[in-house]
Amino acid sequence: AQSVSQHNHHVILSEAASLELGCNYSYGGTVNLFWYVQYPGQHLQLLLKYFSGDPLVKGIKGFEAEFIKSKFSFNLRKPSVQWSDTAEYFCAVNACSTGTASKLTFGTGTRLQVTL
Amino acid sequence: EAGVAQSPRYKIIEKRQSVAFWCNPISGHATLYWYQQILGQGPKLLIQFQNNGVVDDSQLPKDRFSAERLKGVDSTLKIQPAKLEDSAVYLCASSLDRGGDGELFFGEGSRLTVL
Repeated sequence: AQSVSQHNHHVILSEAASLELGCNYSYGGTVNLFWYVQYPGQHLQLLLKYFSGDPLVKGIKGFEAEFIKSKFSFNLRKPSVQWSDTAEYFCAVNACSTGTASKLTFGTGTRLQVTL
Repeated sequence: EAGVAQSPRYKIIEKRQSVAFWCNPISGHATLYWYQQILGQGPKLLIQFQNNGVVDDSQLPKDRFSAERLKGVDSTLKIQPAKLEDSAVYLCASSLDRGGDGELFFGEGSRLTVL
């Protein structure tokens, strides 16, 4: 079974600082990878996803993530965070099996707090 | 496009009582999921439906939790009897899901507090 590890539980940054949140997964086969975000009081929503092709994926609001297969990693980055990026970020993996429905396994999440 | 609807948003019950949560997925989405999110943890899959059928319920505590998806649309998740450790947010999600690469769309969740 697949699993996901997020190394940072709580990150505090000042506005304009650069962000990198770590995510590692364990699964030997083909995977789809996701980052979801949960803003305060809102539902989980997709930030970006990787299925295949270019390992550098760009998402909404200036976020990007890089899939490094050899390291089983899918770290999330943003060059300059804003106060509105304060949220909880979840990495998730879907182990691909032909013909079966998606089943996401989530990490424990990283709470990002951006200060003014 | 309407999102995933869940109700109630909040529920407080005493231990050993029962509770039910309802979910209406996005129209046309074949796959429906119930996740449990305990404070400080990531969502954990409880049960996954593909149309009417159960795809995965391996992490559902079947002695107290039950779920059904009648007619392949709405779904209910029931807990009876509730325990203190069931306090969590119960998230419903749906996906269009062609070939296992689908994005999940989440509802706002139902927050359960068991006293």
